[in-house]
Amino acid sequence: GAVVSQHPSRVICKSGTSVKIECRSLDFQATTMFWYRQFPKKSLMLMATSNEGSKATYEQGVEKDKFLINHASLTLSTLTVTSAHPEDSSFYICSARDSAPRRGGPTDTQYFGPGTRLTVL
Amino acid sequence: GQNIDQPTEMTATEGAIVQINCTYQTSGFNGLFWYQQHAGEAPTFLSYNVLDGLEEKGRFSSFLSRSKGYSYLLLKELQMKDSASYLCAVMDSNYQLIWGAGTKLIIKP
Repeated sequence: GAVVSQHPSRVICKSGTSVKIECRSLDFQATTMFWYRQFPKKSLMLMATSNEGSKATYEQGVEKDKFLINHASLTLSTLTVTSAHPEDSSFYICSARDSAPRRGGPTDTQYFGPGTRLTVL
Repeated sequence: GQNIDQPTEMTATEGAIVQINCTYQTSGFNGLFWYQQHAGEAPTFLSYNVLDGLEEKGRFSSFLSRSKGYSYLLLKELQMKDSASYLCAVMDSNYQLIWGAGTKLIIKP
């Protein structure tokens, strides 16, 4: 259980285009999802917290107009990188918080999707 | 400020035991998580501690001392596939995860 999918796994795009990344919790409902980015050999950096049915909460320094987040249902959140530039090239990872008590696991555990590697040319 | 400290890199031998330490200073505490991350992949959940003591799960164990702000992840009978980064994360009073930079574990034959 606690599977999170992310699509696409890899995308290459031209500078100036927009890219949408989907994050789905497959076997549980997630009222809260998180979007991270990670540069090579660096730690995870939280970009924003996505709450179902409300606006996302962005971390300091993350442009909300550039990184659009939509959490339209309890199992789906999307991140759109608008007008992508080469400096946006990174590994983007989503996670979903399982807030329901689950046998053998703690509440509030974040389960990660497999990640999306974005390369902007 | 909030801070999670763990060693940058450790090396161990296949079949041996290794302990990865994590110390933390956070605003509030609602549990400590350990995740494993292989190169180029997303993190996977390993363990969770919210009470003091040792949690054992197969070859992996995790220990917590809240009074000392300290945890460790113990890996026994190391296998080559255990080569990965191990991330320590603490959930603060706002239920936000504060991440350590990770410990890269290198396993040698």
